[in-house]
Amino acid sequence: TQLLEQSPQFLSIQEGENLTVYCNSSSVFSSLQWYRQEPGEGPVLLVTVVTGGEVKKLKRLTFQFGDARKDSSLHITAAQPGDTGLYLCAAHGSSNTGKLIFGQGTTLQVKP
Amino acid sequence: DTAVSQTPKYLVTQMGNDKSIKCEQNLGHDTMYWYKQDSKKFLKIMFSYNNKELIINETVPNRFSPKSPDKAHLNLHINSLELGDSAVYFCASSQDSWVGKGNEQFFGPGTRLTVL
Repeated sequence: TQLLEQSPQFLSIQEGENLTVYCNSSSVFSSLQWYRQEPGEGPVLLVTVVTGGEVKKLKRLTFQFGDARKDSSLHITAAQPGDTGLYLCAAHGSSNTGKLIFGQGTTLQVKP
Repeated sequence: DTAVSQTPKYLVTQMGNDKSIKCEQNLGHDTMYWYKQDSKKFLKIMFSYNNKELIINETVPNRFSPKSPDKAHLNLHINSLELGDSAVYFCASSQDSWVGKGNEQFFGPGTRLTVL
């Protein structure tokens, strides 16, 4: 069974602080995705990483895929209240069925 | 012009009842999915259909029966509802069923099911 473990599960910070969320597994993945989910809505894709060591930036968000493609991190610089939400990592396994495996999520609260 | 829509948004019902949740996508995608998100926010796939054909069927009680009348619709019917079925159910769609970059899944807003 392929499992994704996210840490921390909860994070409450002040506006302007930096933070990093981690997504780890013992399995190798062909690609990994990060989603953000706001209350009462479905997850929305932020980024997909496919190459070991890949770094992608989306404004103040920086995503990195581990060299061995087993882990990933999401770093937010100068967090803002609008960043508040549930951050989910998800990965496609080796089988070609479109099955997404999700981590248990990191709930981020950014206080003004 | 909602991409993936679900009805109803909220569903409160008694144990033992049968209920359905409807999902429609107007993106022209070939693949649709049902996910369940529990009270701890853990999101897990239940089913997926590609061009009306079932391709993913996770370990889900057979009280749950998906039905795809056409590739733009995937409904979820639940028989004999139990307390443990309380959760948020998300429908999603993607262009194809293969894995990887470029085949983004678009999620609906979710249906919060509460079984009393």
